[in-house]
Amino acid sequence: GEDVEQSLFLSVREGDSSVINCTYTDSSSTYLYWYKQEPGAGLQLLTYIFSNMDMKQDQRLTVLLNKKDKHLSLRIADTQTGDSAIYFCAESRQGGSYIPTFGRGTSLIVHP
Amino acid sequence: DGGITQSPKYLFRKEGQNVTLSCEQNLNHDAMYWYRQDPGQGLRLIYYSQIVNDFQKGDIAEGYSVSREKKESFPLTVTSAQKNPTAFYLCASSIRRRANYGYTFGSGTRLTVV
Repeated sequence: GEDVEQSLFLSVREGDSSVINCTYTDSSSTYLYWYKQEPGAGLQLLTYIFSNMDMKQDQRLTVLLNKKDKHLSLRIADTQTGDSAIYFCAESRQGGSYIPTFGRGTSLIVHP
Repeated sequence: DGGITQSPKYLFRKEGQNVTLSCEQNLNHDAMYWYRQDPGQGLRLIYYSQIVNDFQKGDIAEGYSVSREKKESFPLTVTSAQKNPTAFYLCASSIRRRANYGYTFGSGTRLTVV
């Protein structure tokens, strides 16, 4: 199986909350990230969380980490059409070069 | 404003040609990376460099070459040995000692074989 797994698509109605899920396999993963990619553009770092944290909140974004289940989620409150994009989960581990492993990305579609 | 500039945005390559993709950053970042993105796939690491005049192969280095003569620049050459080069190429950078804080990405180059 892949090191980082995400569902490929998520469709939500404007104004609702979106929850994008990610699972990873390496228990030594120390740093976990969410990136956003708009069409034809590069990736933008949205937020990151260290493995000694359970939750991190930044305005409309909430990241939850369940280390026992190796599960990471990104909740976007009051989802807007401008949130439509591909969201990538990534993990890296301490030591060495910290090069992350990326998931395949979840396409979030926000409809009116 | 600091950032990473990739050029060109679109590039067309004929069969058997080598092409070079440019990546320049003015963030004073030590480390730079090249990724390839194909539809429905995650990002796959081609090459990375943590200091000037040094670079390492990533997971899919075959058919690609890089150089790191200056801290600001990390060009990627797609050689004729790369049999399926059509893809979206992304350059990224990070502070080496703080790479765990994530990457800054460029806006990408879309390469198409014609």
